Amino acid sequence: GAVVSQHPSWVICKSGTSVKIECRSLDFQATTMFWYRQFPKQSLMLMATSNEGSKATYEQGVEKDKFLINHASLTLSTLTVTSAHPEDSSFYICSASSPAVSYEQYFGPGTRLTVT
Amino acid sequence: AQSVTQPDIHITVSEGASLELRCNYSYGATPYLFWYVQSPGQGLQLLLKYFSGDTLVQGIKGFEAEFKRSQSSFNLRKPSVHWSDAAEYFCAVGAGAAGNKLTFGGGTRVLVKP
Repeated sequence: GAVVSQHPSWVICKSGTSVKIECRSLDFQATTMFWYRQFPKQSLMLMATSNEGSKATYEQGVEKDKFLINHASLTLSTLTVTSAHPEDSSFYICSASSPAVSYEQYFGPGTRLTVT
Repeated sequence: AQSVTQPDIHITVSEGASLELRCNYSYGATPYLFWYVQSPGQGLQLLLKYFSGDTLVQGIKGFEAEFKRSQSSFNLRKPSVHWSDAAEYFCAVGAGAAGNKLTFGGGTRVLVKP
């Protein structure tokens, strides 16, 4: 199956700083990428959908100025958590999709963010 | 709005026994339904999906699921569980074949006793 990677897998940052998470589709060109957030022992909540070359579409309640999403190429999307606070600590998961993979969503392994 | 309910938070099953995970959905049109498995350190893996056609769907790793429109259910089953099946399982409903805007259930954690 198609492979999606995320980097870093784990990051700790200080409150007030920004952190960038990368999501890459390794063996296909992803026209659409999705970003999810997962709290401990909870389900995945969709944060935003990004199409290559377009602005991301954010779900209701997600602060677009705090969670900056860029999808500049067909293999890379980035999520930047700006001015991070402890409540932003979570597990962030991306997925990638395209016609080439029958629009199925392929998920990355996730990034654990801890804000101290 | 679409929603998914997985009534069981935890299930413990003995190795070799059968497993059934429940999933109920709410969706205004024909649902596109998915089951994913999440193991520690790994991304979600698709077990199976239902778009249309035969309501009994076969997936990977010996899993199957049955779509029952009258009950708004899409339960996952496996006849004989292996220790490696211990993981978190998520049912999801999508707005289309593209799986756009997947809505996930709360998940069911499966523990396998030796």
